[in-house]
Amino acid sequence: DIQMTQSPSTLSASVGDRVTITCRASQSISGWLAWYQQKPGQAPKLLIYRASNLEGGVPSRFSGSGSGTDFTLTISSLQPDDFATYYCQQYHSHGTFGQGTKVEIK
Amino acid sequence: EVQLVESGGGLVQAGGSRRLSCAASGFTFKNYAMGWVRQAPGKGLEYVSTISVSGIETYYADSVKGRFTISRDNSKNTVFLQMNSLRADDTAIYYCAKVRIPGGKDYFGSWGQGTLVTVSS
Repeated sequence: DIQMTQSPSTLSASVGDRVTITCRASQSISGWLAWYQQKPGQAPKLLIYRASNLEGGVPSRFSGSGSGTDFTLTISSLQPDDFATYYCQQYHSHGTFGQGTKVEIK
Repeated sequence: EVQLVESGGGLVQAGGSRRLSCAASGFTFKNYAMGWVRQAPGKGLEYVSTISVSGIETYYADSVKGRFTISRDNSKNTVFLQMNSLRADDTAIYYCAKVRIPGGKDYFGSWGQGTLVTVSS
């Protein structure tokens, strides 16, 4: 099974900061990676698919990059609505989620 | 508008069974693979099971293999998760989810609001 490791587990940041979250796969997944945002009490929301493709309606401050085993999610200028937990998911072989990264207010 | 509405959650004793349902609307259900993802209280997301458009191909996480069965009824736009031999560590919110595009790989563009299953020991 493919394992996904996110870092950091928690990230403290301020509004306006540039934020980067890393996701590493235990083997190559090509570009078959998605990123989700989840707020407390809500279902996850798809942000990015195929490593770098922005889902419709998602603000352009979100971007994704990477291929093979190493991927990043970047928020170019953190907004109040972005404080949430973020998950990566590989779908090269069925699916596996990373353990999540909580973005909290500094 | 895509809508996924889960039902069937509740309190169940360890060793018992529960059947979750997910009623879908707002899209051509028979054209999309579907899945279930769960989240234990205060924990991360766990990929549980998926089913192909025809219902012939299914996938289960190792943690539920042999105990859970996913199925679908394309005439009723509904996907099911039959959960048997439930354990305390099955306690979670169970989300129903739709793959993003027809014939697409298993990542999810739409999610229900979830149904809570609590297994008491």
